[in-house]
Amino acid sequence: ETGVTQTPRHLVMGMTNKKSLKCEQHLGHNAMYWYKQSAKKPLELMFVYNFKEQTENNSVPSRFSPECPNSSHLFLHLHTLQPEDSALYLCASSQDQGAVDEQFFGPGTRLTVL
Amino acid sequence: GQNIDQPTEMTATEGAIVQINCTYQTSGFNGLFWYQQHAGEAPTFLSYNVLDGLEEKGRFSSFLSRSKGYSYLLLKELQMKDSASYLCAVMDSNYQLIWGAGTKLIIKP
Repeated sequence: ETGVTQTPRHLVMGMTNKKSLKCEQHLGHNAMYWYKQSAKKPLELMFVYNFKEQTENNSVPSRFSPECPNSSHLFLHLHTLQPEDSALYLCASSQDQGAVDEQFFGPGTRLTVL
Repeated sequence: GQNIDQPTEMTATEGAIVQINCTYQTSGFNGLFWYQQHAGEAPTFLSYNVLDGLEEKGRFSSFLSRSKGYSYLLLKELQMKDSASYLCAVMDSNYQLIWGAGTKLIIKP
């Protein structure tokens, strides 16, 4: 595996379900990011981790809970979501946060909340 | 507030040239990025500008004017595979990327 991978690629869940999104990067990077991408809207930064420590939480509702057990893995735990949370969730990584680095993206998880 | 503006959609003909504009107002500036995103795929890095002027990379070029808060991406000799969304993003003073909504480019034969 190379680059940034995400699983699952597609997810349909009810508002009462609990699910998790997984991201893994094989680039030796220290920073990892969760973004939300909705149609015709800019990418919204949700969370940032640098060296496994959360450094940014952009006022994301508590029904989204991130976890970063090590610099290569990032999870987004989902519970009691709303239909407006349906979107493409992108994971990205870069060498370090706080530097001018290119971000490498995974293919995303297309989430549909019923 | 911080704002990035780019056209929602553009159409061009195979073999032609197209220019996608991006204007920005941000808190600080640490460079401007262009990414390409094919439908259902990950955004991929195209270019980075931090100094004024034109950067050329094959069929793609990117221009920056910091005084005008303006950039463009120039695509030459368009190919059908260039049909994609093109995302403009500015790195602000906190080294966070501020994104535009993207420009969907449609290439017609």
